[in-house]
Order: sequence, then C-alpha cells, then structure tokens
Amino acid sequence: DTGVSQDPRHKITKRGQNVTFRCDPISEHNRLYWYRQTLGQGPEFLTYFQNEAQLEKSRLLSDRFSAERPKGSFSTLEIQRTEQGDSAMYLCASSLPISGRSYNEQFFGPGTRLTVL
Amino acid sequence: KQEVTQIPAALSVPEGENLVLNCSFTDSAIYNLQWFRQDPGKGLTSLLLIQSSQREQTSGRLNASLDKSSGRSTLYIAASQPGDSATYLCAVSFRDDKIIFGKGTRLHILP
Repeated sequence: DTGVSQDPRHKITKRGQNVTFRCDPISEHNRLYWYRQTLGQGPEFLTYFQNEAQLEKSRLLSDRFSAERPKGSFSTLEIQRTEQGDSAMYLCASSLPISGRSYNEQFFGPGTRLTVL
Repeated sequence: KQEVTQIPAALSVPEGENLVLNCSFTDSAIYNLQWFRQDPGKGLTSLLLIQSSQREQTSGRLNASLDKSSGRSTLYIAASQPGDSATYLCAVSFRDDKIIFGKGTRLHILP
C-alpha cells in the first residue's frame, strides 16, 4: 500500500498524559499536513511542512502541541498534558505541489482517533 | 474570513435518484476545490479536484462544477446507490497549501 499511513489508529489515554502520533506520507510527496476533526465538524488545519520545514501553524495548535518532520519524510505530532477537549480524529495528508499549476491535491491517511478520559 | 459552507447538513433520498450537494465559499480567489467522501470513523477519500481554471470535473457517476464568480460548487451524484451513503466534504484551497473544509453533508441513500 503506497498511500498515507498513520499510527496508531486509535489511542485512549488519561487526562494529563502525553501522546505521540506518527504519519508516513506518500513517498515522493514533499508536503505533509496535520488536521484535527471533532464530531460533526469538518477537518481543521493544524500545521504543515514542506520537506523538514514547518511553514505554518494554526492558532488551534497550543503550546502543548508540537509537530516535527526531522528528515522530511515521516512526521510526528505530540500532545503534552492531554485534556478532554483534545479528543478528536487527527488526520494527516500529503501532497506534491506542481509549480505553476493550481494542483496540490492532498491525499489523506486513515486518521488517529484520540480519546482522552 | 475565508469560510466554506455546505447545505444541506443531512440528506436522505431513495435509491436510484439523482442528487445535488451544495458548497459555497466566501472568497472567489481560490486555488482549487476538492470534494471528499468520509465513511463513519474513517479517513477522507478524494473524489474530485477542480482547478481554479476549470469549470467541472467528472468521475463515473459523479460530476462536480465550479463557479468562482458566485462562490459555489455542486457535486452531482447520478443514480444513487446505498453504497453512496457517507459524509461528503467540500474543501477549498485559497492558497496553494492549506485546505479549509466545510462541515459536510451526511448523505443517506434509502434502499
């Protein structure tokens, strides 16, 4: 399977614990995105990388959230001191923008569902 | 503020009917627009992408149109089937990077 993969698929944790999620993009894609989706809502942008550089972070990404893409391949999203409001589906996407064309189709992974008790 | 709105929030139609899902956006200067399908508890599957220079895209029984001047897109599903039941999300890129999503339309096809 050469699509975007995410691990774990489900995570249940107690409030106050730290959690880390991993995303492996499509191999040739240089952009990687993180989104958060709560029940009944569309996904909301959190942050994105071009290669290893983090180019934008949403206001939704509080100080407890940190994302990395150290080698420009896989990415991790860490949430420290989790709160019940962090419960959501965390989605990863990747893309390969084509210079000069309005393309940049994003391909999504299956998501990691986080439940904070 | 750039926003994406989808109407209706939910829709139930008998199997075999044709249907239209609507998406509107506040800024006509879009980069591209994508329609996604999401099954319960699952990730997103890209259905169609319309570039800013295009007016429509077709894939099988699906047809998506784009009218930038009015800030609207529609997703037309022909001859609906129970397997089409899912949430359909409209997503707009106002730049060449992040996407802004609507809240989706929950579609239920009645057998």
